[in-house]
Amino acid sequence: KAGVTQTPRYLIKTRGQQVTLSCSPISGHRSVSWYQQTPGQGLQFLFEYFSETQRNKGNFPGRFSGRQFSNSRSEMNVSTLELGDSALYLCASSLGLLLNEKLFFGSGTQLSVL
Amino acid sequence: GESVGLHLPTLSVQEGDNSIINCAYSNSASDYFIWYKQESGKGPQFIIDIRSNMDKRQGQRVTVLLNKTVKHLSLQIAATQPGDSAVYFCAENTRPEGGAGGTSYGKLTFGQGTILTVHP
Repeated sequence: KAGVTQTPRYLIKTRGQQVTLSCSPISGHRSVSWYQQTPGQGLQFLFEYFSETQRNKGNFPGRFSGRQFSNSRSEMNVSTLELGDSALYLCASSLGLLLNEKLFFGSGTQLSVL
Repeated sequence: GESVGLHLPTLSVQEGDNSIINCAYSNSASDYFIWYKQESGKGPQFIIDIRSNMDKRQGQRVTVLLNKTVKHLSLQIAATQPGDSAVYFCAENTRPEGGAGGTSYGKLTFGQGTILTVHP
């Protein structure tokens, strides 16, 4: 069974640009969560989607958004990029049926904002 | 200039030793806990989980202990191998208080991590 797939693996953008990251969950998983990982803040929750609906949201500004498609694939978008948005963005999937489920992570997209 | 970041605890052991990685959590409402291992260039990899109605759970070469009284979680790795070298994170899922709204779907609160180095 294929794991969580994230594309692209690396991205370099400049301030003010926008970026879209993609995530394909494990087959059969309907929940997709996004996390930001930085050396200064560690791993922080962005949002979670299930059946194309956002069910949970972290404390990030509105520049961070996401969506989920009918095949459970998800994208996240960051608009008006800032230097502080440089981070590893991780996607995780789970069945999404229970409040407490183990999350399976992809390898992430490393975003560098110059 | 000096970079600012989390100063992760480190644990250095010899191959074959047992390792114990500790984690303190602050929210007494947390009811689910997971340990993840993250190797360089990879995403966190699930190791073992435990629910708050248990105090011990064992897997292959790993054991998680949960002490709710002092809000402490530990991961024990038996016969540590060089391949176990990685950053280890504990994570908790907190059920929202009744009537407070919101959910805990997909949201794990991660600890800062511990760097485990295993010397051959």
